[in-house]
Amino acid sequence: QKEVEQNSGPLSVPEGAIASLNCTYSDRGSQSFFWYRQYSGKSPELIMFIYSNGDKEDGRFTAQLNKASQYVSLLIRDSQPSDSATYLCAVTSSNTGNQFYFGTGTSLTVIP
Amino acid sequence: DARVTQTPRHKVTEMGQEVTMRCQPILGHNTVFWYRQTMMQGLELLAYFRNRAPLDDSGMPKDRFSAEMPDATLATLKIQPSEPRDSAVYFCASGLTVGTGIYSNQPQHFGDGTRLSIL
Repeated sequence: QKEVEQNSGPLSVPEGAIASLNCTYSDRGSQSFFWYRQYSGKSPELIMFIYSNGDKEDGRFTAQLNKASQYVSLLIRDSQPSDSATYLCAVTSSNTGNQFYFGTGTSLTVIP
Repeated sequence: DARVTQTPRHKVTEMGQEVTMRCQPILGHNTVFWYRQTMMQGLELLAYFRNRAPLDDSGMPKDRFSAEMPDATLATLKIQPSEPRDSAVYFCASGLTVGTGIYSNQPQHFGDGTRLSIL
């Protein structure tokens, strides 16, 4: 079983809609959760991080964490064509030596 | 804006040649990660340093790959001899780990990567 799992997609949403990206993880002791965006041919860039259960909002982005169910999600409101990219979920824990475990990413396409 | 700097950005070489990739982490960061990314495998962790000490290099083919941090401002990843299957994008990332607990891991920041092609 992989440490972090994401639906590879592709996920397509119309411009202006809400895009919902999901990630599940296997280590119940995981403590820190990160979302990265990667445009084709570019390096991953940090979008958001979340440490505590609940929602965390930053502009059009909302990260949601549910440790009991072991999932973390990213919502993108008012999706724009510029949001089209691959979104990587990363999870880490001091129990596993602070190593970051990345999912394989979900490809998002926002259709104008 | 502080950035992770990787060199070279592109490298094309023939099979059997030695390849050295360099990374300058963000000043003040105490963790450095080397990743390899391919279409088939996604992002794979190769090696991980904290305070210049190697913590995990289990993802790295030991017979041909080596990773070092000669000082806090330089990390290197070396392949010798290189093979066509090593062709990939190699990313370096740096971050800050402080103490323990849920806030101990600060986000990693990635360099632009080295695109390596072994012919």
